[in-house]
Amino acid sequence: GAVVSQHPSRVICKSGTSVKIECRSLDFQATTMFWYRQFPKKSLMLMATSNEGSKATYEQGVEKDKFLINHASLTLSTLTVTSAHPEDSSFYICSVQGGREDTQYFGPGTRLTVL
Amino acid sequence: KNEVEQSPQNLTAQEGEFITINCSYSVGISALHWLQQHPGGGIVSLFMLSSGKKKHGRLIATINIQEKHSSLHITASHPRDSAVYICAVRNTGTASKLTFGTGTRLQVTL
Repeated sequence: GAVVSQHPSRVICKSGTSVKIECRSLDFQATTMFWYRQFPKKSLMLMATSNEGSKATYEQGVEKDKFLINHASLTLSTLTVTSAHPEDSSFYICSVQGGREDTQYFGPGTRLTVL
Repeated sequence: KNEVEQSPQNLTAQEGEFITINCSYSVGISALHWLQQHPGGGIVSLFMLSSGKKKHGRLIATINIQEKHSSLHITASHPRDSAVYICAVRNTGTASKLTFGTGTRLQVTL
């Protein structure tokens, strides 16, 4: 069964609105979760590392005020795309590291389309 | 030059063929992942390797730490194996952060 869930799987919004994406770790507690974005036919790009109970660590070039990350509990991290613009349209994926072999588990992704 | 290079970028094979996808990296790593991404977008972790070889069903992954190279093999390929295969490395000293290759798009035809 799924180890990591994301919600919603697909969202279409108007330019200027904010969109929240949830990532849940279903099988184990995760002090660290990762958020990626992926453009069509491109590889994943790490946006930020979400740390439970503390501020997220953003990768260079990623605007922290634009992409708000909240890791409120050991099983939930949220990514909010604020004042979305068409260029924010992308596929957003979260991942969790853990389990018996300490491997990475990826969520099913959220496809965001900003009109 | 990317830290993680994959070859080939695109691969078309007939059902039943033996397939090899290669991954070379230029940094020190603590682990290497092979991932599979289907057209719908979901990503599945196939293997995590730090040495040697792992096998799961028709899939085999090998890694040579000295040569900084890994291969993913698919035996008796099937159309349902059609997907993008991504190599990702966990750099030493960067906790759990992954660096991704650009992926290999595999199409298996009947």
